Amino acid sequence: EADIYQTPRYLVIGTGKKITLECSQTMGHDKMYWYQQDPGMELHLIHYSYGVNSTEKGDLSSESTVSRIRTEHFPLTLESARPSHTSQYLCASSRSSGANVLTFGAGSRLTVL
Amino acid sequence: GIQVEQSPPDLILQEGANSTLRCNFSDSVNNLQWFHQNPWGQLINLFYIPSGTKQNGRLSATTVATERYSLLYISSSQTTDSGVYFCAVESLGDSWGKLQFGAGTQVVVTP
Repeated sequence: EADIYQTPRYLVIGTGKKITLECSQTMGHDKMYWYQQDPGMELHLIHYSYGVNSTEKGDLSSESTVSRIRTEHFPLTLESARPSHTSQYLCASSRSSGANVLTFGAGSRLTVL
Repeated sequence: GIQVEQSPPDLILQEGANSTLRCNFSDSVNNLQWFHQNPWGQLINLFYIPSGTKQNGRLSATTVATERYSLLYISSSQTTDSGVYFCAVESLGDSWGKLQFGAGTQVVVTP
């Protein structure tokens, strides 16, 4: 049962196109995250958010940007996609109090030709 | 930042076998989680276990925080256990709570 939703699941797009990966959660979590994962590799944090109007860059530098206008919504945008952006993007969320247990979405697999 | 090392990197098991996966970390932690990533890429949280021992069906986990390691046990493995197992930790000194992931252990369970 998914409480965090990512769309699209798969996207193949040409170089130079603008893309937005959507992430929504219904759990009322304050914290949200975007991780990037290349096939067979570990996850790297690229963006995170404490709450509405709060966004921070993660440990891995990324050309993508994020916004947090609503608690439940944390979209990621690439203004001009390039082949180097080909990867899986995983969205996650967690509560701001108590144990910081992450719940992940199913991921968005992006291929830039 | 905190370093997370998982071993072994790959594991092939016959159905019914038992196995142990290990996660070593370089600093004190206040959060440790084990995840299973299925072949379709979905990450499922298995355990939140910053210390102590927990069991969930055929899976169990133990974290010895003072010695900076955690173990994940898979008993009577099934083909559905295949996938990548990740350990993720949050450093005690991290005021925000960012998880650092290890490189994972790829598990293949054969019939």
